[in-house]
Amino acid sequence: ETGVTQSPTHLIKTRGQQVTLRCSSQSGHNTVSWYQQALGQGPQFIFQYYREEENGRGNFPPRFSGLQSPNYSSELNVNALELDDSALYLCASSLAGTDGYSFGSGTRLTVV
Amino acid sequence: SQQGEEDPQALSIQEGENATMNCSYKTSINNLQWYRQNSGRGLVHLILIRSNEREKHSGRLRVTLDTSKKSSSLLITASRAADTASYFCATDGSGYSTLTFGKGTMLLVSP
Repeated sequence: ETGVTQSPTHLIKTRGQQVTLRCSSQSGHNTVSWYQQALGQGPQFIFQYYREEENGRGNFPPRFSGLQSPNYSSELNVNALELDDSALYLCASSLAGTDGYSFGSGTRLTVV
Repeated sequence: SQQGEEDPQALSIQEGENATMNCSYKTSINNLQWYRQNSGRGLVHLILIRSNEREKHSGRLRVTLDTSKKSSSLLITASRAADTASYFCATDGSGYSTLTFGKGTMLLVSP
């Protein structure tokens, strides 16, 4: 157990809809990162939040957005879903200045 | 974009044999980490090696790092069927500390 929980586990949405994925970070971790993992690929960095502010962003369009709350919870929002958004979405929490990352089990999103 | 490339893409061995996976990366790093993933589930951290280290051991795992060649290897000794999984290397080197993953090696260990 890493102490990072994600919900839901699986989700099916229709193209054009919006989705919110949730993550509860490990206690004491002040940084949360989100990754997208397409089938057969390695995880790709979406963005990172540190102390509730976006701290870095990968090559993802603005329809991918997020937030981090003070109570160790975080959200990933995706608007105007596309078929290519189908993937496993992973949340990872960490403590800034340290090397360790704790990953959740992921949310499997299928867009039809 | 992917930072690293793992080699081989897939590896099939018998229980008791050793498994070696290689990873190459492109930019300078603070550290390199190896992760394991079972059947598309979450990532499990295996081992971290810092840029000033050359070799590290943890149980049946041995990791080497050659920063001059921008490459790393993961050796799993005396493999077990339970080691069957995908293995990813990830580099941590950007200013705001994120991980850049390779595409992974699928390891199949047959009883």
